[in-house]
Amino acid sequence: QKEVEQNSGPLSVPEGAIASLNCTYSDRGSQSFFWYRQYSGKSPELIMFIYSNGDKEDGRFTAQLNKASQYVSLLIRDSQPSDSATYLCAFGNTGGAQKLVFGQGTRLTINP
Amino acid sequence: DVKVTQSSRYLVKRTGEKVFLECVQDMDHENMFWYRQDPGLGLRLIYFSYDVKMKEKGDIPEGYSVSREKKERFSLILESASTNQTSMYLCASKGLAGENEQFFGPGTRLTVL
Repeated sequence: QKEVEQNSGPLSVPEGAIASLNCTYSDRGSQSFFWYRQYSGKSPELIMFIYSNGDKEDGRFTAQLNKASQYVSLLIRDSQPSDSATYLCAFGNTGGAQKLVFGQGTRLTINP
Repeated sequence: DVKVTQSSRYLVKRTGEKVFLECVQDMDHENMFWYRQDPGLGLRLIYFSYDVKMKEKGDIPEGYSVSREKKERFSLILESASTNQTSMYLCASKGLAGENEQFFGPGTRLTVL
């Protein structure tokens, strides 16, 4: 079993709809969870992090964490064409360096 | 402004050559990381460093070594490049444990012929 699995893409969503990206992880000791966005030809940039069970909202983005189910998701409301990118989930171990383990990414396309 | 720079955007080398990829950060971060990114495989950690002269193997260290002589600079070395090391290489840095974000450099696309 892979350490992190993301829902297979590509994912295509009409403009204005909600895009839902999902990720499961196998390490029950994971403490921190991250969503990165990567535009084509660019490097990843952090958009959300979440540590506690429940929802965390930042503008149009909501991260949801369920540690019992080992599941983290990212919802993008009112999707815009500029949201078209690859989204990478990652989880971090504890400790100073906080090494991250990344999923393989889900490519999202928002259709005008 | 946060800045992680990498020495080359594109690099073409021949099999057997020794290759140096350089990464510099200006944020006084303790932690630095080298990843490679391949289609369908996501980012995989090669090596990381949590202090000057300190290094730890990541998930795929075979065929690579690293050097961190100064806090701001972290070098990835391919001792004898092979075609299966053709990839996008990404460097990242991060501050202390209480800080969440890893900041990535622009990446180096390495082709080994």
